[in-house]
Amino acid sequence: GQQVMQIPQYQHVQEGEDFTTYCNSSTTLSNIQWYKQRPGGHPVFLIQLVKSGEVKKQKRLTFQFGEAKKNSSLHITATQTTDVGTYFCGSNSGYALNFGKGTSLLVTP
Amino acid sequence: GAGVSQSPSNKVTEKGKDVELRCDPISGHTALYWYRQSLGQGLEFLIYFQGNSAPDKSGLPSDRFSAERTGGSVSTLTIQRTQQEDSAVYLCASSPPGVGNQPQHFGDGTRLSIL
Repeated sequence: GQQVMQIPQYQHVQEGEDFTTYCNSSTTLSNIQWYKQRPGGHPVFLIQLVKSGEVKKQKRLTFQFGEAKKNSSLHITATQTTDVGTYFCGSNSGYALNFGKGTSLLVTP
Repeated sequence: GAGVSQSPSNKVTEKGKDVELRCDPISGHTALYWYRQSLGQGLEFLIYFQGNSAPDKSGLPSDRFSAERTGGSVSTLTIQRTQQEDSAVYLCASSPPGVGNQPQHFGDGTRLSIL
């Protein structure tokens, strides 16, 4: 399957600071899906990117898919305590979704 | 509407016992997935069902693991002769029919602890 690596594994920021997590692959990806998992919760779908160079925004969240479709990023502007959780990227290999190990975000008030 | 429902929410059992985990997908969703999430780890794909097609079992870690989906709806994941390394949260997800890859909707999972 299409393996995706996520960095960093953990990130601790002060409320109001920005945050970015990266998803990288050595092969061209068919798509990228991003999910958020709150502590004790289940993953919740955020967005899907399929086009080279695609950029999508959801309020303070900006998602990018690289021109070569080998990497993606999720950027959060001015983090809030509600952003706490683990952010996963995943890419489809057929119908199976291969997830990265996630980036856990901790936001201190 | 109702989301993906999994039962039990927690299961504690002794090593060597068999366990059965249940997943009720969202009504109308044709695709169903099982994942395993160990403490602090990512989501490990186990098995995928799509309609009446043969399931994709490529992620099952051993022949102790099996799953079935009856009537294209409810699914059960069975682990035989459980081992301590099977301890994890088992997540089920479903997705609607449609062109291309669809978002997956996850249940709350079953937390399995093997003593």
